[in-house]
Amino acid sequence: AQTVTQSQPEMSVQEAETVTLSCTYDTSENNYYLFWYKQPPSRQMILVIRQEAYKQQNATENRFSVNFQKAAKSFSLKISDSQLGDTAMYFCAFSQVGAGSYQLTFGKGTKLSVIP
Amino acid sequence: DAGITQSPRHKVTETGTPVTLRCHQTENHRYMYWYRQDPGHGLRLIHYSYGVKDTDKGEVSDGYSVSRSKTEDFLLTLESATSSQTSVYFCAISESWGSNQPQHFGDGTRLSIL
Repeated sequence: AQTVTQSQPEMSVQEAETVTLSCTYDTSENNYYLFWYKQPPSRQMILVIRQEAYKQQNATENRFSVNFQKAAKSFSLKISDSQLGDTAMYFCAFSQVGAGSYQLTFGKGTKLSVIP
Repeated sequence: DAGITQSPRHKVTETGTPVTLRCHQTENHRYMYWYRQDPGHGLRLIHYSYGVKDTDKGEVSDGYSVSRSKTEDFLLTLESATSSQTSVYFCAISESWGSNQPQHFGDGTRLSIL
């Protein structure tokens, strides 16, 4: 079974600064997908970014980028130029490819606070 | 935003009563999922559906049943609610099997069982 670990329960960052959230995972599969979801106080689950394991290039979406280290099974999220609206819970999630790839396995989340 | 509506948004009920949560989608997506979110656990899959009348169990399915009689509706039922089922429940949908199509989530239902 796959597991996803987020070792930082809470983090804070000054507005306009850069912050990195950590995520490690455990799997015996070679092909899979990784995701970061954001959950603001409104409780919505919003997809931030996704990475396909067979792609070496790190995914980027505006101010959000990932550092994907496949051998180390690490998938960190970097938020640049942090904004007050980035305050939220962030969840790392894993999904394998192929038959049975119906389930997202989530980490326990990191609560990020952006300080003015 | 994906067209996903969960109802009710909030519910308080008593132990032993039956409870049904509804997820309605307007995207015509084939796959639908029910998760629960608890402090310290992230989100965990309860049941999922891969088509009308086609459902299967997830990680934490005990005490829950589901039904899908139409593409757009996926119902989650607690036959006899217990306090351990107090949680926030999320419905999700995806267009295709597998993770090349990400799951999109509803706004959640907060369920309290006293």
